[in-house]
Amino acid sequence: DTGVSQDPRHKITKRGQNVTFRCDPISEHNRLYWYRQTLGQGPEFLTYFQNEAQLEKSRLLSDRFSAERPKGSFSTLEIQRTEQGDSAMYLCASSLRTADPFFGPGTRLTVL
Amino acid sequence: GIQVEQSPPDLILQEGANSTLRCNFSDSVNNLQWFHQNPWGQLINLFYIPSGTKQNGRLSATTVATERYSLLYISSSQTTDSGVYFCAVEPDSNYQLIWGAGTKLIIKP
Repeated sequence: DTGVSQDPRHKITKRGQNVTFRCDPISEHNRLYWYRQTLGQGPEFLTYFQNEAQLEKSRLLSDRFSAERPKGSFSTLEIQRTEQGDSAMYLCASSLRTADPFFGPGTRLTVL
Repeated sequence: GIQVEQSPPDLILQEGANSTLRCNFSDSVNNLQWFHQNPWGQLINLFYIPSGTKQNGRLSATTVATERYSLLYISSSQTTDSGVYFCAVEPDSNYQLIWGAGTKLIIKP
């Protein structure tokens, strides 16, 4: 297993467009997390899946954001009607337990 | 909500020096972890340490849960230690990690 992968690594879009990011976790990991990180800050929690169930959502996750994890495997994070404030690094992590998350390389989003 | 404060915000050292990074948190936690984010953005989990002391090579960490702080020690620093060190805590009965703002460490050759 090569670890957590994310696609794309970089995305540039115009304000108002929709974007979708994909995360492929380590295969045996049942927990999957999405975080957002802006420059000079620590990551901010967005949402958490255990298998296919979305168990926790941050209030940061407005109605323009939606995440899915069909069949408890890969996950997608969609942002509709992007705004310049959505520009950030979007990080995915997976784990068998909360104590040991493995992070992907992230998707850097730039909204023009 | 719980607050996580890290100090110092920035640290510049010569190769071979030792350093101590601090993390203070404002409430009891289930879990505390230390991470290293390298200059290319990759986050690596260093320690899971809700209490006590752990060591891994040149790195060690101590958490005193009753006093709500944790320390990360780096000995004999190498240039590859450069990056940002984050402390993150898991509040009681919660899945999410709350992160500090990090300590940016630069090791000069």
